[in-house]
Amino acid sequence: NAGVTQTPKFQVLKTGQSMTLQCAQDMNHEYMSWYRQDPGMGLRLIHYSVGAGITDQGEVPNGYNVSRSTTEDFPLRLLSAAPSQTSVYFCASSYLPRDEQFFGPGTRLTVL
Amino acid sequence: AQKVTQAQTEISVVEKEDVTLDCVYETRDTTYYLFWYKQPPSGELVFLIRRNSFDEQNEISGRYSWNFQKSTSSFNFTITASQVVDSAVYFCALIPNSGGYQKVTFGIGTKLQVIP
Repeated sequence: NAGVTQTPKFQVLKTGQSMTLQCAQDMNHEYMSWYRQDPGMGLRLIHYSVGAGITDQGEVPNGYNVSRSTTEDFPLRLLSAAPSQTSVYFCASSYLPRDEQFFGPGTRLTVL
Repeated sequence: AQKVTQAQTEISVVEKEDVTLDCVYETRDTTYYLFWYKQPPSGELVFLIRRNSFDEQNEISGRYSWNFQKSTSSFNFTITASQVVDSAVYFCALIPNSGGYQKVTFGIGTKLQVIP
């Protein structure tokens, strides 16, 4: 099992560019989430999904879109990158909504 | 609203010392789950423990132990005989049993440095 995978590991964008962060898991977990990690702020939930076709907003959803067409994949789209979106992004999955989460290795994004 | 407070932002200890990482939480829910995760310098997040609010028994796993006290809303984590490999950022988190899945709240983390 690969667990939770994320690509890319690093990305530099210019303000206004768009991109998609990829996340996949092979554990057949229904629940998947995207977090951003910023210094002094811990992890904050951006969007989450409770199954294929079902997504909802977390604490800091503005500027991000998600979709979940399959159980395995949960991509995060930045529509028009801003410097405030410079962060480390983590994807996570769990079997049940209040189980421990399995995290991907993270994507370090810099927006210039 | 719910909140998780990790008041210690950074702690340094000398190898073999014991160290306790504090976690204090606030929630209106009567049932909830508490978690600890470890983030070593390599950056990945690793699950350590999950505790149901119904279960106030303390837990020990090797050099790690957790003290859950509902009366003080605390879920503290102790590392006994610390080692350099324990150097990491440790996060405490809370998920209430009611409401939506989006209600997970993480603390800001405590960075532990174990000096050889």
